[in-house]
Amino acid sequence: DVKVTQSSRYLVKRTGEKVFLECVQDMDHENMFWYRQDPGLGLRLIYFSYDVKMKEKGDIPEGYSVSREKKERFSLILESASTNQTSMYLCASSLRGVGAYSNQPQHFGDGTRLSIL
Amino acid sequence: EDQVTQSPEALRLQEGESSSLNCSYTVSGLRGLFWYRQDPGKGPEFLFTLYSAGEEKEKERLKATLTKKESFLHITAPKPEDSATYLCAVVRNSGNTPLVFGKGTRLSVIA
Repeated sequence: DVKVTQSSRYLVKRTGEKVFLECVQDMDHENMFWYRQDPGLGLRLIYFSYDVKMKEKGDIPEGYSVSREKKERFSLILESASTNQTSMYLCASSLRGVGAYSNQPQHFGDGTRLSIL
Repeated sequence: EDQVTQSPEALRLQEGESSSLNCSYTVSGLRGLFWYRQDPGKGPEFLFTLYSAGEEKEKERLKATLTKKESFLHITAPKPEDSATYLCAVVRNSGNTPLVFGKGTRLSVIA
């Protein structure tokens, strides 16, 4: 079974702090993704990566950055946390597949519920 | 604009009462459709992939079907443990992001 592990289930930080969310997958997947999920807004893609040291912006990249130094690990960074970044953050991974966008299913971790005070 | 719409938003069923959830989509170049189940406080759990119109997939009490404009998730004789939010997502050929997600159907099955 695919295992996507997020480092924390719950996290509380203060405004202005630099926050790191870590994600590790154990299935040698090429693609990794960071989403946030908010009531009424659904899942929104922040950043994704097709390969080590490679990143692409999703729908809502402002205020975030990412790092992928190793294939199995994808980190999301909140440069200066703000209260509107309080949310559930979900990491996912998938095989590369064929074509511009992979048609292989994304497998998700259990999420980090982040509160910014 | 590419769009995925799920209906109904919420559905309440008695145990054993079969029903269907709908996922309609308008995307430029469908390359696949995924169904997920999400329990409260957890990440989405992958259920099915459908790649072409006419395709069907089954797993226990769930059956997913696909046409050129929509997908259905049929739930036969549901049990309380089937209560969850069900999400569909469409893979497209182009656009800012690979997947377009619907907002989900929240299913409650009452014993």
